[in-house]
Amino acid sequence: GAVVSQHPSRVICKSGTSVKIECRSLDFQATTMFWYRQFPKKSLMLMATSNEGSKATYEQGVEKDKFLINHASLTLSTLTVTSAHPEDSSFYICSARDRGASGEQYFGPGTRLTVT
Amino acid sequence: RKEVEQDPGPFNVPEGATVAFNCTYSNSASQSFFWYRQDCRKEPKLLMSVYSSGNEDGRFTAQLNRASQYISLLIRDSKLSDSATYLCVVNNHPYRGYALNFGKGTSLLVTP
Repeated sequence: GAVVSQHPSRVICKSGTSVKIECRSLDFQATTMFWYRQFPKKSLMLMATSNEGSKATYEQGVEKDKFLINHASLTLSTLTVTSAHPEDSSFYICSARDRGASGEQYFGPGTRLTVT
Repeated sequence: RKEVEQDPGPFNVPEGATVAFNCTYSNSASQSFFWYRQDCRKEPKLLMSVYSSGNEDGRFTAQLNRASQYISLLIRDSKLSDSATYLCVVNNHPYRGYALNFGKGTSLLVTP
């Protein structure tokens, strides 16, 4: 099956610093990628939809200036958590939608962010 | 009201048991439906799509009732390896670019 990678898989940072998470589709092109966040014992919540070559669409309540998304190519989207705070600690998961006929979505393995 | 609702469980069942999970969704315009499985601290993995006519994949049977906006998953002959959280997932309106809407998940623990 199709593969989506995320890097890093785990990161610990201090409050006030910024963290960049990469999401790559390894064997297909993805015009659309999605960023989700999951807090412990909670459901995955969509943060934003990332479209190649255009601005991301953010869900209500997600600050676009805090969570910067860049989708510069058909295989890479990045999420930068700026000025991270402990409440940003969470499991961040991306998914990529195959631009081909299947249109299926594939999830990355997730990035666990801990802000101290 | 949440868009996708599930009984969080946990469901503790012995090996070999049959267990059923239910899910309701609030958006009548939802396009497609899935069950995902998520193991602890891992990403969700697609278990099966859910079709209006009902569909089966080995020990797993999924049903969809559009009129009632209700989805179910039946697991027969439970295995220890079935222990996981099962996520009911609904595909939103196309304008959201096929973003998936997740339920909170139902936790299953299969015991020896």
